[in-house]
Amino acid sequence: GQNIDQPTEMTATEGAIVQINCTYQTSGFNGLFWYQQHAGEAPTFLSYNVLDGLEEKGRFSSFLSRSKGYSYLLLKELQMKDSASYLCAERGKLIFGQGTELSVKP
Amino acid sequence: DGGITQSPKYLFRKEGQNVTLSCEQNLNHDAMYWYRQDPGQGLRLIYYSQIVNDFQKGDIAEGYSVSREKKESFPLTVTSAQKNPTAFYLCASSIGSTGGSPLHFGNGTRLTVT
Repeated sequence: GQNIDQPTEMTATEGAIVQINCTYQTSGFNGLFWYQQHAGEAPTFLSYNVLDGLEEKGRFSSFLSRSKGYSYLLLKELQMKDSASYLCAERGKLIFGQGTELSVKP
Repeated sequence: DGGITQSPKYLFRKEGQNVTLSCEQNLNHDAMYWYRQDPGQGLRLIYYSQIVNDFQKGDIAEGYSVSREKKESFPLTVTSAQKNPTAFYLCASSIGSTGGSPLHFGNGTRLTVT
């Protein structure tokens, strides 16, 4: 079974803030990636966390808690183009979560 | 421009035929990967290679084969033994196989077997 869990889908409003959670098994942990994937396209890299804390990149931030096996991706000032699937991936085992399908509504 | 090229974008085959998907990178990356993605699902690892002439099975290697004769190339063969070959196939590469080097993905090949 999957070692990484994410919500299947989320809906948010343009201009709002949304948090996408990801939990993973802590054994053999070697860092966590977040990717964005638009339908029918390749995933594109968003962020990498290996130490606890928050990494900020413009409108996107990613947080990691290694002791809890938990990460989240925070998207601020949502835009319609942010509608996509967001995948978290554990670096060591090369495992991806199923992805969270985010729909941004006007 | 450096990048990863997968070809073709769409591929159609009859059941029982083997088919090879191409993946070429000019990023000088050591590691390369093949993933499969089914509708509404995440990526599942088929095979990966950390260096030339070496590769390891991923979670769903059965029915697939790979080769890594050159650093730039990592072709995937979908054999007739693969029970459900219709899927979106993604190739990726990274500078190394550990640490913070992210995976860079090609644009994918959508394979349909009937």
